[in-house]
Amino acid sequence: AQTVTQSQPEMSVQEAETVTLSCTYDTSESDYYLFWYKQPPSRQMILVIRQEAYKQQNATENRFSVNFQKAAKSFSLKISDSQLGDAAMYFCAYRSSGFSGATNKLIFGTGTLLAVQP
Amino acid sequence: DAGVTQSPTHLIKTRGQHVTLRCSPISGHKSVSWYQQVLGQGPQFIFQYYEKEERGRGNFPDRFSARQFPNYSSELNVNALLLGDSALYLCASSLGLANYNEQFFGPGTRLTVL
Repeated sequence: AQTVTQSQPEMSVQEAETVTLSCTYDTSESDYYLFWYKQPPSRQMILVIRQEAYKQQNATENRFSVNFQKAAKSFSLKISDSQLGDAAMYFCAYRSSGFSGATNKLIFGTGTLLAVQP
Repeated sequence: DAGVTQSPTHLIKTRGQHVTLRCSPISGHKSVSWYQQVLGQGPQFIFQYYEKEERGRGNFPDRFSARQFPNYSSELNVNALLLGDSALYLCASSLGLANYNEQFFGPGTRLTVL
C-alpha cells in the first residue's frame, strides 16, 4: 500500500521570503501522480500543483514549484515570495496512475500548517 | 459555474444516531468521492462512485454507505454514530475516473458526535 509522510507539522515564513515544505512517499508503482493541496481556514481544499511521475521536469505554477526526486521518493513544495494569503494547511497527496475505469482516489499526508509572518 | 456543494455545513448528532450528508458535483462531472478528515489529520478516502456504481471503497466499517443518483449527486450515510466519527466530511467530484481527471473539493460538512 502507498503511504505519504509529511514530517513538518508546522512551518513559519516571513512575508516575501521563501519556504520549502517536505513530503516523502512510499510506493512500488512506477507511474503515479503527486499533488500539493492547500486548505485555508475556510476549509475548501484547493489544488496548488501536480506532478506526473513520468516527467523528469519539475512542475511550476507561478510562485509555487516542486522538487521531485523519484529515486528518493521525495516531493517538496517551494513557495517563493510568500504572501499572507499563503497561510494555510498544505497537504501532499499521491494517486496511482492505474488505468481508466479504476478508482482515482487520493492518499494524503498529515499536512503542514504554514504561518506567514508580516 | 457553481463548484462542488455540500449540505449541511454543520451537524451535531448523538451517539447511536444516523446521519445523511449530501453532495452535488460540478455540472458535467460524473464521479463523486467521499473523504473523512479527522482534526489534525489528512483526508482519508471512504468511497468513490462513478455512473451510479461504487468504484472504490476505503477501510471503513459497514456503518458507512453511500449512493449516487441519476443526476450524479451523492449521499453518504453513517449509521450507529460513534464519537470517533466526528470529523470534516469532504466530497470531491471529477469528470470521470481517468488518471488525468482532477478532483475538485467541496467545502465539507463538519459532523460532531456527542
